[in-house]
Amino acid sequence: QKEVEQNSGPLSVPEGAIASLNCTYSDRGSQSFFWYRQYSGKSPELIMFIYSNGDKEDGRFTAQLNKASQYVSLLIRDSQPSDSATYLCAVRAGTASKLTFGTGTRLQVTL
Amino acid sequence: EADIYQTPRYLVIGTGKKITLECSQTMGHDKMYWYQQDPGMELHLIHYSYGVNSTEKGDLSSESTVSRIRTEHFPLTLESARPSHTSQYLCASIGLAGGNPYNEQFFGPGTRLTVL
Repeated sequence: QKEVEQNSGPLSVPEGAIASLNCTYSDRGSQSFFWYRQYSGKSPELIMFIYSNGDKEDGRFTAQLNKASQYVSLLIRDSQPSDSATYLCAVRAGTASKLTFGTGTRLQVTL
Repeated sequence: EADIYQTPRYLVIGTGKKITLECSQTMGHDKMYWYQQDPGMELHLIHYSYGVNSTEKGDLSSESTVSRIRTEHFPLTLESARPSHTSQYLCASIGLAGGNPYNEQFFGPGTRLTVL
């Protein structure tokens, strides 16, 4: 079992819809959770981070964390074609500095 | 905006050549990382450093080597490049960012290496 698991996709949603991206992790000691967006041929860029159970909203993005169930999700409201990218989930355990990345979910927003 | 730089951005080189990929950051971060990523594939950690004169191998075995003589500089070297080394190499560092009390990981723009 991988430490951080994501469905590779592609996840296809129509423009204006809500895209829901999910990530599960195996280490119960994980404390910090990050979502990165990576366009094809580019480096990952951080778009959301969350540390506490519940929801965290930033513009069209909402990160949701449920430590009991060991999952973290990213919701993208009013999806735009420019949101089409691979979304990487990353997890950090405690004070460890290394991030563990999932394989990423490819999102396609269709017109 | 993260200040982490990589050069060259693109490199095409013949088999057997020695190459060094440069990575530098101006944020004073102690922790730096090298990842390898093939197109459409996952990130693989190949080297990391927690400070000057500290280097460790990552999760993926790599024929490359790294050095950390200065905090801001973390170069990666391939002594003899092979076609199997063709990939994208991403450098990253961890540190505090504005508005976030916890450490974030910042990525450089990457070096796309092609070995013929």
